[in-house]
Amino acid sequence: QVTLKESGPVLVKPTETLTLTCTVSGFSLSNARMGVSWIRQPPGKALEWLAHIFSNDEKSYSTSLKSRLTISKDTSKSQVVLTMTNMDPVDTATYYCALGTMIEFDYWGQGTLVTVSS
Amino acid sequence: QSVLTQPPSASGTPGQRVTISCSGSSSNIGSNYVYWYQQLPGTAPKLLIYRNNQRPSGVPDRFSGSKSGTSASLAISGLRSEDEADYYCAAWDDSLSLVFGGGTKLTVL
Repeated sequence: QVTLKESGPVLVKPTETLTLTCTVSGFSLSNARMGVSWIRQPPGKALEWLAHIFSNDEKSYSTSLKSRLTISKDTSKSQVVLTMTNMDPVDTATYYCALGTMIEFDYWGQGTLVTVSS
Repeated sequence: QSVLTQPPSASGTPGQRVTISCSGSSSNIGSNYVYWYQQLPGTAPKLLIYRNNQRPSGVPDRFSGSKSGTSASLAISGLRSEDEADYYCAAWDDSLSLVFGGGTKLTVL
């Protein structure tokens, strides 16, 4: 059974850096063709793709947020980490990690709500 | 403002057929596959349609997808109360980003 679980702070202050971890169970991050994306959803709003990391460690970022994002993975720990710098209240959202081919996501985490407030 | 345009809402009565549209451009829908996700209230999205019109195993054949030019549609036939959810279209954009629609809230009357 494949499961994903996001973890990280529930509250961050403006200008701080957010670090989120996605722990994957039941699937190897070295599996070819598959990777992990981070996708966020502000309260009551639409989904927004942030970044993807492939099994070969290649990375892809949202063009609009690229300067603020870094995605990395530790295959031995089955974890994918996303950092987002210079957080702002508009970044308040539920952050999901999802496993798939960067558009076809078969498995999603439950999401973690991150609030940006002083 | 989302790159892909969806109607904010749609509705139907049980048993009816409803369609949800998704409009894009030549750089996304016009040149790449379209995907649809269903998001039930309070849950993570679930893949509903992939590569324009393919259904993952377990998705009822009441759900179907189509694409023409720079637009795509999701059709739900035999509408059921459990279909009440938000629906999102998605496509790769040649600007090197995955883009989503703004979402359509489906209400079963």
